[in-house]
Amino acid sequence: DSGVTQTPKHLITATGQRVTLRCSPRSGDLSVYWYQQSLDQGLQFLIHYYNGEERAKGNILERFSAQQFPDLHSELNLSSLELGDSALYFCASSYAIEINSGANVLTFGAGSRLTVL
Amino acid sequence: GDSVTQMEGPVTLSEEAFLTINCTYTATGYPSLFWYVQYPGEGLQLLLKATKADDKGSNKGFEATYRKETTSFHLEKGSVQVSDSAVYFCALTGGSQGNLIFGKGTKLSVKP
Repeated sequence: DSGVTQTPKHLITATGQRVTLRCSPRSGDLSVYWYQQSLDQGLQFLIHYYNGEERAKGNILERFSAQQFPDLHSELNLSSLELGDSALYFCASSYAIEINSGANVLTFGAGSRLTVL
Repeated sequence: GDSVTQMEGPVTLSEEAFLTINCTYTATGYPSLFWYVQYPGEGLQLLLKATKADDKGSNKGFEATYRKETTSFHLEKGSVQVSDSAVYFCALTGGSQGNLIFGKGTKLSVKP
């Protein structure tokens, strides 16, 4: 157990629907990162929050949004779902605001597998 | 932009064979380099890291040396086990967003 908790583990839904993925970071960690893992694109960075504030955006679609709450858990909202959104969505947490030093590493959750039919 | 290139898999080895997974990178500045491992059905786990040139990261018999002159961070293990079967990701800290940039991953299968 990495200490990063993601729910749900598996989710099957239909095109056009909206889902919410939840992440609880490791105790004491203030940063939350979201990544999308698909077979063709590999691991793609979506968004980073630090202590409730958005810090950086990667390849996140406009149909997707995220937030980090005062208790530091984070939610990733995916709307108007398309077949191509089927993927594993990972949350990772770290203590510091930046990971530029190797001392600050990311701890990953087990992921949420989204299947859009 | 910053990027990581890993050798394409899958890689299939017999138990006790020598393993090398190649990783090269492109980056501005001086990134830290990482290897993460993903076992079936699980999230990514940090395997080892190196923060500056010529540093050697090591863990569980795996090693990788940060080579600035060849911009490489190849993963090696002298004798693989069936339990090493997993997907291995090379990564660096970089980019304008200060996040981890991953390679596409290399799947390793070790046969008894």
